[in-house]
Amino acid sequence: EVQVVESGGGLVKPGGSLRLSCAASGFPFNIAWMSWVRQAPDKGLEWLGRIKSNSDGATTDYIAPVKGRFIISRDDSKNMLYLQMNSLKIEDTAVYYCSPSGIFFAYWGPGTLVTVSS
Amino acid sequence: DIVVTQSPDSLTLSLGERATINCRSSQPVLYRSNNKNSLAWYQQKPGQPPKLLVSWASARESGVPDRFSGSGSGTDFTLTISSLQAEDVAVYYCQQYYSTPFTFGQGTKLEIK
Repeated sequence: EVQVVESGGGLVKPGGSLRLSCAASGFPFNIAWMSWVRQAPDKGLEWLGRIKSNSDGATTDYIAPVKGRFIISRDDSKNMLYLQMNSLKIEDTAVYYCSPSGIFFAYWGPGTLVTVSS
Repeated sequence: DIVVTQSPDSLTLSLGERATINCRSSQPVLYRSNNKNSLAWYQQKPGQPPKLLVSWASARESGVPDRFSGSGSGTDFTLTISSLQAEDVAVYYCQQYYSTPFTFGQGTKLEIK
């Protein structure tokens, strides 16, 4: 059974940093392209970016609002996906989801809430 | 970036009625290598992550009731619920995956009258 579980969310001040983790199981993580999607409170869904598999160069894509601030990385030896978030802004407050896909998203975790507030 | 726009923003219908949700992309999303449209539909209930209903514009996911159907091509797509059930109350989103950045519609809130 495919499972992803996000963790690492919490309360952080504007300008601060946070690293989210995504533990994956039930599928061949090393060949999977992985994405992060977020949802601000009572708002819609926003794709943040993705990382390709190492065999595809582990290249990353990001949306403009987070490019240069957020970094997606992976550790295939641990079946883990990460989202390093720097220079956080109030508008980054959201539930963050990871998903094992580089295009559409058949599997979702429960998400982890990040609150950016002073 | 491809802009994806849904209509209506909200919909209130009676049990058993047909629900139609529209999605328009700012440019065609036909993926020429497989001649399929790169458009997905999701259902999200309160407090839950989204659930994939349809991919490639019309391919229903395994386990999704057959009252849900996706159609359309080019830039105009539709999610139809043929006979509304109480458990269909949710927010529905479409998403294009033709090109990055992948983008979602703003959502359509479906309620029961």
